[in-house]
Amino acid sequence: DAGVTQSPTHLIKTRGQQVTLRCSPKSGHDTVSWYQQALGQGPQFIFQYYEEEERQRGNFPDRFSGHQFPNYSSELNVNALLLGDSALYLCASSLETGAYSGNTIYFGEGSWLTVV
Amino acid sequence: QKEVEQNSGPLSVPEGAIASLNCTYSDRVSQSFFWYRQYSGKSPELIMSIYSNGDKEDGRFTAQLNKASQYVSLLIRDSQPSDSATYLCALTPGYTGRRALTFGSGTRLQVQP
Repeated sequence: DAGVTQSPTHLIKTRGQQVTLRCSPKSGHDTVSWYQQALGQGPQFIFQYYEEEERQRGNFPDRFSGHQFPNYSSELNVNALLLGDSALYLCASSLETGAYSGNTIYFGEGSWLTVV
Repeated sequence: QKEVEQNSGPLSVPEGAIASLNCTYSDRVSQSFFWYRQYSGKSPELIMSIYSNGDKEDGRFTAQLNKASQYVSLLIRDSQPSDSATYLCALTPGYTGRRALTFGSGTRLQVQP
């Protein structure tokens, strides 16, 4: 059973460029969330996708956008990159449930983005 | 005030000792609480989840929740050098799946051989 997979693992971009990060959720999971983790900080929620729609969004500018595909995989796009966008980008998958079930959120290994 | 507060550490304990990691939160509607372990350069790994007041034990780990005091802790018994990592406290306002996790900044634990 494959866990959450992310690609690429590392990448370097120049200020002003655009980047696309990809995520495949754990088998059976239908909800994908993206987090940004700067060095020395905890992960910060960017947004969450369910049924191909953005359901919830954190405090991130519109430069950050995403997409979820019918197979539940997801992409995170960041436009007009800034130096401050350098971080570990984490994808998390979970299962949407209608009631309490002790649902667990699983993280991928992340994509390290360096903006120079 | 930060939503989730943790002491950044480092917390240094000798091998075999009990490590106590603490976390306070500001939002009273928080319902689900989690402890994640993160090794340097790796992604967070779920250690414990707790939803009700009291203690929950899993092997060497015990999570403690006190909703009245808005306090959650993680005890690691018989600490090992392999436990050296950053421990992240996280919570959601509801049950997982539907809600985003809010993380603290983490406490760095160092277990001295």
